[in-house]
Amino acid sequence: QQQVKQSPQSLIVQKGGIPIINCAYENTAFDYFPWYQQFPGKGPALLIAIRPDVSEKKEGRFTISFNKSAKQFSLHIMDSQPGDSATYFCAASSSSGGSNYKLTFGKGTLLTVNP
Amino acid sequence: DSGVTQTPKHLITATGQRVTLRCSPRSGDLSVYWYQQSLDQGLQFLIQYYNGEERAKGNILERFSAQQFPDLHSELNLSSLELGDSALYFCASSQGGNTIYFGEGSWLTVV
Repeated sequence: QQQVKQSPQSLIVQKGGIPIINCAYENTAFDYFPWYQQFPGKGPALLIAIRPDVSEKKEGRFTISFNKSAKQFSLHIMDSQPGDSATYFCAASSSSGGSNYKLTFGKGTLLTVNP
Repeated sequence: DSGVTQTPKHLITATGQRVTLRCSPRSGDLSVYWYQQSLDQGLQFLIQYYNGEERAKGNILERFSAQQFPDLHSELNLSSLELGDSALYFCASSQGGNTIYFGEGSWLTVV
């Protein structure tokens, strides 16, 4: 059972464009939703995260939009740059497991930003 | 640099062999997670330790085991290796909450 569904699988945009990556979750116990950025040969790096008590969070050029009723959240990258070309993963975790905050990941989106 | 250190970075071994992957969490982090990343399965949670105790198990095979030592470093032991075990293995750590930081990974190739 895939608990976090991510789309699209891949995305190509021109420099300055606004790529949008979407995720949907099933488990209503999830209460923390981070996005990770991964470059080839590197580990996933925490980019931005949101909790369900807010509908939007911005950090620099990255924005998370969150729709609790639809159980969906998305990542927007404003003024995208070729250096943003990477694989992006959405994830979710629950605080209800004591000290266990394991992340459930989406399958990832390969973003290419053309110059 | 996340502060999570993994060794070795690359490892090539034969089927049937056993390997140990090592992880040093960020300073002060009590929780260590192990993940496996493959092209077809994505990032899969294997196991979590908190302050030396196992706290959660995911899709970890019986041939795999892990432990966290008193100094909080962790090791993932993979035995009777098969070709399908070839993957990137990530260690991640946190202070105990949701914010989890990943290491650079150990790339295992089984031939």
